[in-house]
Amino acid sequence: ETGVTQSPTHLIKTRGQQVTLRCSSQSGHNTVSWYQQALGQGPQFIFQYYREEENGRGNFPPRFSGLQFPNYSSELNVNALELDDSALYLCASSSGLAVEQYFGPGTRLTVT
Amino acid sequence: QQQVKQSPQSLIVQKGGISIINCAYENTAFDYFPWYQQFPGKGPALLIAIRPDVSEKKEGRFTISFNKSAKQFSLHIMDSQPGDSATYFCAASTGAGTYKYIFGTGTRLKVLA
Repeated sequence: ETGVTQSPTHLIKTRGQQVTLRCSSQSGHNTVSWYQQALGQGPQFIFQYYREEENGRGNFPPRFSGLQFPNYSSELNVNALELDDSALYLCASSSGLAVEQYFGPGTRLTVT
Repeated sequence: QQQVKQSPQSLIVQKGGISIINCAYENTAFDYFPWYQQFPGKGPALLIAIRPDVSEKKEGRFTISFNKSAKQFSLHIMDSQPGDSATYFCAASTGAGTYKYIFGTGTRLKVLA
């Protein structure tokens, strides 16, 4: 069974640029949730995708957007990057709308 | 009302001791309470979870105690080992179709050899 994978591992971007982060869900899982974890803080929910549609969103601006593909992998896109977007971005997958979520290793984004 | 308050912020325990981390919540609609362990540079790993219809759940050295009336829950790590040194997060979730997690701020545990 393959766990949740994310790419890239690390990324450095300049303020104002756009970034795309990728996530492959655990085998058999069709729901993907994205979280932002600032340094020294707990993860904060960005949004969730179920069957290729957004199924809930946290308190993040519209410049955070996402996609889920037919194979249940997902992308997180962030436009007009700000310095405060520097964080570890975590993807979690689950089976259907089951409550247990399994996290990937994250992508460390640094905005300079 | 959506917050989960976690304490202490950091904890130092001797090898073989008991580590106790506490969390409190306000939203009575929360119906699932997981604990995650996170090592530096890694994603959170699910340790153990509980629902409000039970007061305690034990898995190996890890126990969750749940007090529904006080809206509090805690993680107990028995016989703490240096390999348990990590950051621990409590979380809470409510259903209604979107199981988004509300995380606590984390507890950095160090177990001394």
